[in-house]
Amino acid sequence: GNSVTQMEGPVTLSEEAFLTINCTYTATGYPSLFWYVQYPGEGLQLLLKATKADDKGSNKGFEATYRKETTSFHLEKGSVQVSDSAVYFCALRPNSGYSTLTFGKGTMLLVSP
Amino acid sequence: DAGVIQSPRHEVTEMGQEVTLRCKPISGHNSLFWYRQTMMRGLELLIYFNNNVPIDDSGMPEDRFSAKMPNASFSTLKIQPSEPRDSAVYFCASSLMAGANEKLFFGSGTQLSVL
Repeated sequence: GNSVTQMEGPVTLSEEAFLTINCTYTATGYPSLFWYVQYPGEGLQLLLKATKADDKGSNKGFEATYRKETTSFHLEKGSVQVSDSAVYFCALRPNSGYSTLTFGKGTMLLVSP
Repeated sequence: DAGVIQSPRHEVTEMGQEVTLRCKPISGHNSLFWYRQTMMRGLELLIYFNNNVPIDDSGMPEDRFSAKMPNASFSTLKIQPSEPRDSAVYFCASSLMAGANEKLFFGSGTQLSVL
């Protein structure tokens, strides 16, 4: 079946540090890949996505590249801010019919001033 | 532009009581999802509707859980009887179409505590 594995959190960084949150997946075929972000007390919201191999999704300074050879979709940001503190979820969705998102367990990011 | 609206935001109840969670999806969206979030299991899909019809309810944990979508603008998730292990945050989400690239819009969730 489909599955998503994320690095355990929390990830604790100082403001302006470089961020990497690892994500690997298992799926048949070539799924679409997503990063969602959940701010405290809120629901998840889409951060970025990539729909095919070598695509790079980007938004708000965050980037992730769809790597088919390593089945990975690592999230990166060059300089984090305190406002980036949240839980980040990697997810996949098969490109077929009525398919739904499979989420990783989430990685909490804490950024201190 | 209102997003997905869930109610109540918080629910505290005693074991054995019936709990009903409500969701109003974004107008025009034809897919609706119920998720449960816990520390141990992360985010789990419970059930998925398309055009008000349940498409996949394989994630519903047991017969105590039921979900309905009587029309395009309203859905309920009911737990009867509730148990302490049902304590979690329950999210409703909606999207415009059932496809690989569509974006899910989540509500703010219902924090359920069963004592």
